[in-house]
Amino acid sequence: EPEVTQTPSHQVTQMGQEVILRCVPISNHLYFYWYRQILGQKVEFLVSFYNNEISEKSEIFDDQFSVERPDGSNFTLKIRSTKLEDSAMYFCASRAVGTPNTEAFFGQGTRLTVV
Amino acid sequence: GQNIDQPTEMTATEGAIVQINCTYQTSGFNGLFWYQQHAGEAPTFLSYNVLDGLEEKGRFSSFLSRSKGYSYLLLKELQMKDSASYLCAVFKAAGNKLTFGGGTRVLVKP
Repeated sequence: EPEVTQTPSHQVTQMGQEVILRCVPISNHLYFYWYRQILGQKVEFLVSFYNNEISEKSEIFDDQFSVERPDGSNFTLKIRSTKLEDSAMYFCASRAVGTPNTEAFFGQGTRLTVV
Repeated sequence: GQNIDQPTEMTATEGAIVQINCTYQTSGFNGLFWYQQHAGEAPTFLSYNVLDGLEEKGRFSSFLSRSKGYSYLLLKELQMKDSASYLCAVFKAAGNKLTFGGGTRVLVKP
């Protein structure tokens, strides 16, 4: 069964460092997302992406965040200068193009710890 | 903006039925999803409603009333493995945005 894969599964970084979280969406999907979930809290929308551009971003997704589709398979989230409060699980998701009722499939997440 | 409300926690007995309610206010609505999330894992898709009414899928059913901004997820014949968080999510085609509520943690007791 096709799945969304994310690497790494865990990342520990020092405050102020840049991190890149990587995702390989399902191959025929064209809508991509990043979400984050702080421990014990809700799944929060960060950004949606389609046709090589951002469709919508939340207020969390400030200038420290960026997304990129560098090739035909990867979708990355970069945090330029990490803060302690960026510690969270980051989920990538993808959806097929077509009818609105196609569900988003989530990767297993990257647990980011900023120390 | 969007506002999605669900109860924080519910407890039920194995074999019983539990109904998880979700109310939402949103500008733009193109469907409502329910997801299941076990602790430390990714959300997984359960159901989708865009028209009013009930969608049944085995032990899980989901209902939507668009005029009332209301949905529920019904879990029947509860099993211990159903202990998880259940996330209500509203989809808006403009911006291609799926927004989650806070989730309802369901604890199934023997």
